[in-house]
Amino acid sequence: AQTVTQSQPEMSVQEAETVTLSCTYDTSESDYYLFWYKQPPSRQMILVIRQEAYKQQNATENRFSVNFQKAAKSFSLKISDSQLGDAAMYFCAYRSLISNFGNEKLTFGTGTRLTIIP
Amino acid sequence: KAGVTQTPRYLIKTRGQQVTLSCSPISGHRSVSWYQQTPGQGLQFLFEYFSETQRNKGNFPGRFSGRQFSNSRSEMNVSTLELGDSALYLCASSETSGSNYEQYFGPGTRLTVT
Repeated sequence: AQTVTQSQPEMSVQEAETVTLSCTYDTSESDYYLFWYKQPPSRQMILVIRQEAYKQQNATENRFSVNFQKAAKSFSLKISDSQLGDAAMYFCAYRSLISNFGNEKLTFGTGTRLTIIP
Repeated sequence: KAGVTQTPRYLIKTRGQQVTLSCSPISGHRSVSWYQQTPGQGLQFLFEYFSETQRNKGNFPGRFSGRQFSNSRSEMNVSTLELGDSALYLCASSETSGSNYEQYFGPGTRLTVT
């Protein structure tokens, strides 16, 4: 079974600064997706960024980028130019790709609560 | 497109009762997954339905069940409620393949068992 570990329960960053959230995972599979989801206090979970394991290039979405180290099974999220609206719980998640069907299950880490200091 | 909707948003039940939660996926999405979120256990996968069939199930007791209708709407049912069932129940819908794969989450149903 796959596991996802987020070792930082809480992080804080000054507005406009850069912060990196850590995530490690354990799997014996070679093909999978990794995600970072954001859950603001309103509770609606939204996707921040996705990474397909077969792609060596790190995914980037505006101020959000990842450092994907497949051999080390590490998937960190970097948020540049932090904004007050970035304050939320951030969850790292794993999705198997063994089969295209019946693998909608996401395995989540325990989350990192990010606080933005004005 | 409208997002994933869940009803009701809040629910208070008593131990021993049963409850039914509803989820309407994004139009065109045929896969619906359910997750339980608690402070102690985090986000845990309950089950996933596709075309009215349960394709995957998490490690939850048989008191937790679900179904999906022909219009892809899904319901989950919890019978004989326990205090530990108090949680935020999240529903997510997705298209099952494609390079832009994403699960879209609803706002959740907050269940409190007293």
